[in-house]
Amino acid sequence: AQSVTQLDSQVPVFEEAPVELRCNYSSSVSVYLFWYVQYPNQGLQLLLKYLSGSTLVKGINGFEAEFNKSQTSFHLRKPSVHISDTAEYFCAVSFNTGNQFYFGTGTSLTVIP
Amino acid sequence: DTGVSQDPRHKITKRGQNVTFRCDPISEHNRLYWYRQTLGQGPEFLTYFQNEAQLEKSRLLSDRFSAERPKGSFSTLEIQRTEQGDSAMYLCASSLGSGSPATQYFGPGTRLTVL
Repeated sequence: AQSVTQLDSQVPVFEEAPVELRCNYSSSVSVYLFWYVQYPNQGLQLLLKYLSGSTLVKGINGFEAEFNKSQTSFHLRKPSVHISDTAEYFCAVSFNTGNQFYFGTGTSLTVIP
Repeated sequence: DTGVSQDPRHKITKRGQNVTFRCDPISEHNRLYWYRQTLGQGPEFLTYFQNEAQLEKSRLLSDRFSAERPKGSFSTLEIQRTEQGDSAMYLCASSLGSGSPATQYFGPGTRLTVL
């Protein structure tokens, strides 16, 4: 079965500290990977995506993620977080050329001053 | 540059009533998606249109749910005989493309509360 797992439901981190949000997937077919951020009372906004090519992808707001096929992971990282990064983060996967996205349950990132 | 818009943003209804939501995608986007998001969960796929054709439907989409995109532009999602379990955020997304998965752009959602 194909699935997406975000291992951490809540991640508190101090301002200017690094952060890693974990995402793992289960699939026997090709995958396309996305990270979205949802700020309070706003819609989902794309942070970054991996379709092919370099496994290290850079996104907006200083975030980056690395696709690791052997570990079936696509963890999101930022070297130094800001208060404004406080939000809900969702990992999403599309399998083969399918059109629907499968989302993880989300990770709530709270940046502490 | 307008993004995906949804109307209404909030809807409170009594159990058994019908409700209809509207989604206006980014202009010229040929693909439109509906998702449902409940508290503490990620969005769950409901259905997908390419132009005016409804190409995929999730098993989550019971017979009480119907979606249309009559002219390949805006879309409506109707829920008949609402139940308390229908309470959720209903998200619409749109994208442009025909091949490998294209980035989906999401609207702000319609929050439905069924009393």
